[in-house]
Amino acid sequence: QVQLQESGPGLVKPSQTLSLTCTVSGDSISSSNYYWNWIRQPAGKGLEWIGRIYTSGITHSKPSLRSRVTISIDTSKKQFSLRLTSVTAADTAVYYCARAPIVGITTGSLEYWGQGILVTVSS
Amino acid sequence: DIQLTQAPSLLSASIGDRVTISCRASQDIYSYLAWYQQKPGKAPKLLIFGTSSLQSGVPSRFSGSGSGTEFTLTISSLQPEDCATYYCQQLNSYSLTFGGGTKVEIK
Repeated sequence: QVQLQESGPGLVKPSQTLSLTCTVSGDSISSSNYYWNWIRQPAGKGLEWIGRIYTSGITHSKPSLRSRVTISIDTSKKQFSLRLTSVTAADTAVYYCARAPIVGITTGSLEYWGQGILVTVSS
Repeated sequence: DIQLTQAPSLLSASIGDRVTISCRASQDIYSYLAWYQQKPGKAPKLLIFGTSSLQSGVPSRFSGSGSGTEFTLTISSLQPEDCATYYCQQLNSYSLTFGGGTKVEIK
């Protein structure tokens, strides 16, 4: 059974950098059949995709966040990470990591999710 | 970015009712449309991928249909455990986007 687990600080000060890691268990993170995503959800609001990374290291991110987002992957540790710079209160949200296949009609569907981690931006 | 518009945003129905949720895309997304169910305090759960394919373990009362820019999630007979918020999601570009969500309540 594939499992994903987010980890990182639950509190970040304004203007600082938010850093989260997603650890994958139950399957390889090195397969070229998947890509790895970050999604967030402010309290009481909808889902917002942040970006994704392929095992090759290629990344795509939401245009409005692109200048602040860095996503990286460490296949030896079975982890991928998110860095979001210059955070404000608007970045306060539950952050999820998720896996999506790159296979036919399953492509892009987020089949496995972490439980989520609440990150609050506050001084 | 491709925008997804869901309707309605809130739906109240009785147990056993047939429930339909609409998702409209701002441009053609072919069949790369998925549906998720999210309950309070939980991560979203994949229900439907590729517009109409049921994810393993999902009850058969859930179904998806559509093409191009118009898509639908149907619950054939609403059950108490179906109270949740439902999101559509597309991937037909470098960006992935979600609809705004539909909250389903029991009347």
